[in-house]
Amino acid sequence: QEQLVQSGTEVRKPGASVKVSCKASGFTFSSYYMHWVRQAPGQGLEWMGMIDPRGATTYAQNFRGRVTVTRDTSTSTIYMELSSPRPDDTAVYYCAREAGAFDLWGQGTMVTVSS
Amino acid sequence: QAGLTQPPSVSKDLRQTATLTCTGNSHNVGYQGAAWLQQDQGHPPKLLSYRDDSRPSGISERFSASRSGDTASLTISGLQPEDEADYYCSAFDASLSAWVFGGGTRLTVL
Repeated sequence: QEQLVQSGTEVRKPGASVKVSCKASGFTFSSYYMHWVRQAPGQGLEWMGMIDPRGATTYAQNFRGRVTVTRDTSTSTIYMELSSPRPDDTAVYYCAREAGAFDLWGQGTMVTVSS
Repeated sequence: QAGLTQPPSVSKDLRQTATLTCTGNSHNVGYQGAAWLQQDQGHPPKLLSYRDDSRPSGISERFSASRSGDTASLTISGLQPEDEADYYCSAFDASLSAWVFGGGTRLTVL
């Protein structure tokens, strides 16, 4: 069945980059736009960026220069690396498949940034 | 980046009908329409509708979506206890070349 499985909980000190993975199965992930969305504790959803079927990336203005989305087509995995995280980057990070709407989501990865 | 506007909370009685709204502009909701997502506490969001009024397979007919101009609506009929959740709208914003979300509406079923 189609699913996205993300890597586990991460804890980082401020400034120490973090990389989250999202492995796709049950579909040809390189045919889809794949996105990263985050949700801070008690807050709403925030779009971060995406990688398209050609491998080109687009980022939300708030994350340009701090977030890098990459993919490995050989393992059907996409990655989101957040550099120089701050305490207010503490959130659950989701990957999501998009085909006009976000129709398949990973289970989420909790990233805590704390000194 | 500017998001979509949703009321923070809506409360309705069991078996009644709730209508949630999502207001954007001509660059997002009014451009390509909106999608609706349901999120239970501690779980990832689930797609309820897309392209204004289409429902993915497996989604109950009690959920129906529509759009008028720059405002999208989600109507949930025959409210059940399990409908109590957070509901988000989303749309692509052509002027920002970015996806935007509403702030979410918490639906309480009394």
